[in-house]
Amino acid sequence: GESVGLHLPTLSVQEGDNSIINCAYSNSASDYFIWYKQESGKGPQFIIDIRSNMDKRQGQRVTVLLNKTVKHLSLQIAATQPGDSAVYFCAGRRGSNYKLTFGKGTLLTVNP
Amino acid sequence: DGGITQSPKYLFRKEGQNVTLSCEQNLNHDAMYWYRQDPGQGLRLIYYSQIVNDFQKGDIAEGYSVSREKKESFPLTVTSAQKNPTAFYLCASSIGASAIAKNIQYFGAGTRLSVL
Repeated sequence: GESVGLHLPTLSVQEGDNSIINCAYSNSASDYFIWYKQESGKGPQFIIDIRSNMDKRQGQRVTVLLNKTVKHLSLQIAATQPGDSAVYFCAGRRGSNYKLTFGKGTLLTVNP
Repeated sequence: DGGITQSPKYLFRKEGQNVTLSCEQNLNHDAMYWYRQDPGQGLRLIYYSQIVNDFQKGDIAEGYSVSREKKESFPLTVTSAQKNPTAFYLCASSIGASAIAKNIQYFGAGTRLSVL
């Protein structure tokens, strides 16, 4: 089955730096990925998504990169701000099975 | 104001008691989901529903039950058979179950369940 995980459980950056959060997946049939942000005590919020026919997708201050060869995706946050402090989850979907499989999350801490 | 509403925010369960968590959405979404989140963990799927009057078990359905009598509502009952119910419960919905459609799931604010 699908498993989605992250390389690091915590990441600490200085305000204004760029952040990179990584995620690996196991099933090469995965065709769609989503990044979510979860602040303490709240539900996850959608950040950005990417289909497997793309390598890169950009949003406002965020970029997701997908490397299907090594089954890896990353979320890049430009000019990280204190409000970016949260847990970030990647989630993947495999083909016609529209269920999402979530990784365990990376806690991003932004230091002023 | 569109979105997903979960209630209550906090819930306490006595031993042997069934409790029901409410989830309502006004996004006109076909699919709805229930997840459980334990501290420091990712989300695990309990039940999901693609359409009214239909639902399927997720990865950890034992000790839980659901119903989907209306498109807007997907309540979750935590039964006495669930021996470790303390967790953060999240409800989500998405526009459809089609593989073609983007399956962005939108989440409610969650219900924190504790055992007395």
